[in-house]
Amino acid sequence: DADVTQTPRNRITKTGKRIMLECSQTKGHDRMYWYRQDPGLGLQLIYYSFDVKDINKGEISDGYSVSRQAQAKFSLSLESAIPNQTALYFCATSSGWGGTTDTQYFGPGTRLTVL
Amino acid sequence: QQQVKQSPQSLIVQKGGISIINCAYENTAFDYFPWYQQFPGKGPALLIAIRPDVSEKKEGRFTISFNKSAKQFSLHIMDSQPGDSATYFCAASLGGFKTIFGAGTRLFVKA
Repeated sequence: DADVTQTPRNRITKTGKRIMLECSQTKGHDRMYWYRQDPGLGLQLIYYSFDVKDINKGEISDGYSVSRQAQAKFSLSLESAIPNQTALYFCATSSGWGGTTDTQYFGPGTRLTVL
Repeated sequence: QQQVKQSPQSLIVQKGGISIINCAYENTAFDYFPWYQQFPGKGPALLIAIRPDVSEKKEGRFTISFNKSAKQFSLHIMDSQPGDSATYFCAASLGGFKTIFGAGTRLFVKA
């Protein structure tokens, strides 16, 4: 079984709809991240969480919110989806105490299309 | 100061050739420099990484060269194979608090 899973894998929705993307991990890591990938722009950090009680905004948090339900679960919500939020979304985890523990483990991604 | 600049954006190499991807950073506090490999339909996965106190690290056909004074590091793929065709991201990590990714390089190895 995959260490980091994301649901759904693909989603098509309409402008104005609320969407939730879910991430679960079995690596036992405290740190979890949500990234957005657009062609030519690399991976942009949306939100990150260093433990269940810690939530931090990343570079592009506007229009997004998150919930850390447990150590293993981190959800991303689009409150009112708009077409320019069409992208590939990745969840990642790390143990994160510096050096090699900064390695991030990515889920398979969710392809979101907003019409 | 937090940016990591990656080039080229895309690269085509003949089978058996050397693929070279370059990255530059500004913040000298970065202390971990990983490279990630991403195949279509998959999430990025760690390929190889280096600490700034080392000038070179080699794992099989993959080598990172690190130039601390120039604030640059590069990935070399020797004897490139069609199976290496993927998108490669360099990254720089800051003391466990933040990882900054380059924009990615799409590599295509021609058979």
